[in-house]
Amino acid sequence: QSALTQPPSASGSRGQSVTISCTGTSSDVGGYNYVSWYQQHPGKAPKLLIYEVSKRPSWVPDRFSGFKSGNTASLTVSGLQAEDEADYYCSSYAGSNIYVFGTGTKVTVL
Amino acid sequence: EVQLVESGGGLVKPGGSLRLSCAASGFTFSNAWMSWVRQAPGKGPEWVGRIKSKTDGGTIDYAAPVKGRFTISRDDSKNILYLQMKSLKTEDTAVYYCTSDYGGCPWDWGQGTLVTVSS
Repeated sequence: QSALTQPPSASGSRGQSVTISCTGTSSDVGGYNYVSWYQQHPGKAPKLLIYEVSKRPSWVPDRFSGFKSGNTASLTVSGLQAEDEADYYCSSYAGSNIYVFGTGTKVTVL
Repeated sequence: EVQLVESGGGLVKPGGSLRLSCAASGFTFSNAWMSWVRQAPGKGPEWVGRIKSKTDGGTIDYAAPVKGRFTISRDDSKNILYLQMKSLKTEDTAVYYCTSDYGGCPWDWGQGTLVTVSS
């Protein structure tokens, strides 16, 4: 099972928005509504931001939103803040009780 | 508050074995589906495997790179998740995270324990 494809980097100014893509196949992203997104700061464990494509856990602000179209999922961070500078990873169920993660995107807040 | 605390990492030679533990608290462990996820230095996370709750059948599934070498188990009486690793390879070097799963994905994560496979 191959890793999902994400752009290596993305950036935006404070207060602006940035969107990160996550491209898979019809066997993972396109086949199931079990796409999740994680934020990871250096030296820390990943933290869940989005599950089931677009749902947010209670602790996640509504500045973070998820969407899926076909084999590509996306995460949008609106109103960028300094603390949003981190690595972001997508993940998807890939059938047969297997999960796959994305290659990761480093977000820089200018 | 959910707490997941991994332990047991360290330096091991190629071909060696190691057992990781994850002590869980703050939730009903016996009802939880639990996973191990690893992250090699400078790389993204990689799903290792998952064990369902006994009430949901206790099924265990593994990623292809570790199948046949790694074994996930749980002790619901002690609220501990285990990862037994054998025939370790240099490419198994990573921080290993224990996660509790919900909504079809790893939900809460531990702080991780580092496993280094090197001669």
